[in-house]
Amino acid sequence: DTAVSQTPKYLVTQMGNDKSIKCEQNLGHDTMYWYKQDSKKFLKIMFSYNNKELIINETVPNRFSPKSPDKAHLNLHINSLELGDSAVYFCASSQDGGLLYGYTFGSGTRLTVV
Amino acid sequence: AQKVTQAQTEISVVEKEDVTLDCVYETRDTTYYLFWYKQPPSGELVFLIRRNSFDEQNEISGRYSWNFQKSTSSFNFTITASQVVDSAVYFCALSEARNTDKLIFGTGTRLQVFP
Repeated sequence: DTAVSQTPKYLVTQMGNDKSIKCEQNLGHDTMYWYKQDSKKFLKIMFSYNNKELIINETVPNRFSPKSPDKAHLNLHINSLELGDSAVYFCASSQDGGLLYGYTFGSGTRLTVV
Repeated sequence: AQKVTQAQTEISVVEKEDVTLDCVYETRDTTYYLFWYKQPPSGELVFLIRRNSFDEQNEISGRYSWNFQKSTSSFNFTITASQVVDSAVYFCALSEARNTDKLIFGTGTRLQVFP
């Protein structure tokens, strides 16, 4: 029973396309996140949502739009994809800012823009 | 500014050797939290430990141990008697009390354990 699930696991698409990545957590956590891991393995936060409200937006291009229909879901929509968007995107969730049990990450979505 | 430095980009050891992964952090907050995550070749991120800034007690969990020293702003991770299954990228991370929802990662250390 997966705690944080992301779909799809792999996504290959052409430049200029629009794509979405879905994330769902069944842990009852209040906060969800999107992190980006680049080709050098560097992980950086993009967004966080607490109970469907945007908390953190780390100067991400506005081509990236997160959507949280409820506190168990946080989807990431990307418009006009660029080569530099190729990366692994991780969804995560936490309770109390991860202070008790850390953040639970999904297995990642590898996005390749060609 | 907040920053996490993992100076060792890659470490290779032979099975049963002990290995220490270094982590140095920077923060202006007096209350902060430190984490270690493991990313095996399969790609997922696995939570290993969280440490509060006000708790400098070292921790041991099986073959894993962590040494937190505020005086040197370090939170090092030691694996005793390493095994092939320990091969992974290990990330140290920091969050501050004023914004616990923002986890700042180091660049990771790739550990390869050879049989």
